[in-house]
Amino acid sequence: DAKTTQPNSMESNEEEPVHLPCNHSTISGTDYIHWYRQLPSQGPEYVIHGLTSNVNNRMASLAIAEDRKSSTLILHRATLRDAAVYYCILTQGAQKLVFGQGTRLTINP
Amino acid sequence: DVKVTQSSRYLVKRTGEKVFLECVQDMDHENMFWYRQDPGLGLRLIYFSYDVKMKEKGDIPEGYSVSREKKERFSLILESASTNQTSMYLCASSFGGLPGDTQYFGPGTRLTVL
Repeated sequence: DAKTTQPNSMESNEEEPVHLPCNHSTISGTDYIHWYRQLPSQGPEYVIHGLTSNVNNRMASLAIAEDRKSSTLILHRATLRDAAVYYCILTQGAQKLVFGQGTRLTINP
Repeated sequence: DVKVTQSSRYLVKRTGEKVFLECVQDMDHENMFWYRQDPGLGLRLIYFSYDVKMKEKGDIPEGYSVSREKKERFSLILESASTNQTSMYLCASSFGGLPGDTQYFGPGTRLTVL
């Protein structure tokens, strides 16, 4: 499975944008980039995914580098409820998800 | 919204007991998964199923078995629980058949084996 690298932790302030980076230099042409997050005491929750183009949904935006070796999850206006562990995962379809350690995001009031 | 439910949030069992963890999804998903989550080890796949009565081993199947008699229900069975199976167990489901398939997770069952 292709590997992703994320910072262990990040901190931001409420109502400010947050950019969560992910490196995936060994990504293959058929790998999708998925982001999940896990709030305390809950199961992981899907956030967004993409293949080549940037993607937006109601939760976040995903910016994918032109060479696809990195991507950034963007929370446009962080709230306290966005404090969670964020996982960047490469998938090739209906297969297992390989979760790394993720980035623990802390939001300061 | 997709809903994945798990039978218990917290469970305490004794060593040697047979343990059943139940998972139900309400979106007619083809695929279902069982993971366990441990501090420092992240989520690891135990078993998954692509269809009724179909099952595939994940990365850590030892000590576990599964059952999928109906499409909406996927059970994880610990034949003889041991203390090293104390963990958070997470069930997930996905539609299946799509390259960008998304998994939907249940709230988890925290199992303690004494």
